[in-house]
Amino acid sequence: EAGVAQSPRYKIIEKRQSVAFWCNPISGHATLYWYQQILGQGPKLLIQFQNNGVVDDSQLPKDRFSAERLKGVDSTLKIQPAKLEDSAVYLCASSSVRGTNEQFFGPGTRLTVL
Amino acid sequence: GQQVMQIPQYQHVQEGEDFTTYCNSSTTLSNIQWYKQRPGGHPVFLIQLVKSGEVKKQKRLTFQFGEAKKNSSLHITATQTTDVGTYFCAGRSGNTGKLIFGQGTTLQVKP
Repeated sequence: EAGVAQSPRYKIIEKRQSVAFWCNPISGHATLYWYQQILGQGPKLLIQFQNNGVVDDSQLPKDRFSAERLKGVDSTLKIQPAKLEDSAVYLCASSSVRGTNEQFFGPGTRLTVL
Repeated sequence: GQQVMQIPQYQHVQEGEDFTTYCNSSTTLSNIQWYKQRPGGHPVFLIQLVKSGEVKKQKRLTFQFGEAKKNSSLHITATQTTDVGTYFCAGRSGNTGKLIFGQGTTLQVKP
């Protein structure tokens, strides 16, 4: 089966600019996650969707970050405006509601904010 | 809030030596997952432990879940260069159901 797809793979922007990331989960996976992974740290959950509803966005900086999953399939994460400390890898993951809830991660988008 | 701590942060071993990473949660967990992230790659699921005191093996890897379901360990016997990467534990809170990742242990193996 195809894995989790993310684009772009790399993005370089200046602070105060906007950026958007796209994620297409594994077909049939109802749960989609966006994580922020700063160099040297573990993934930090930003938002979790179940189908097109938000399950947990408690760690999403809502003044600048937004995410949507309108049709319950692919998702976009936006940062507007970006800050220097947003430089990180943004990982998308998906899981099935059945089984172990094993999360399948995409390759990530490496964001550099200058 | 719930915290998941891993030690050590880094470990350098000679090929053939054993390696262990430890994971501790501030709260009781319903289950714990382990992931491996190769340099430049993304986390890949290794295993999930659910039962108190559970031990699971995958070839040279042995995973344990503590009796109190607040700690876990991953032990690699006779490391190989292919074991290089960062190993993350991720604990699922028994209260909230949230999965919290530890900061990872990065393993370097010298041939």
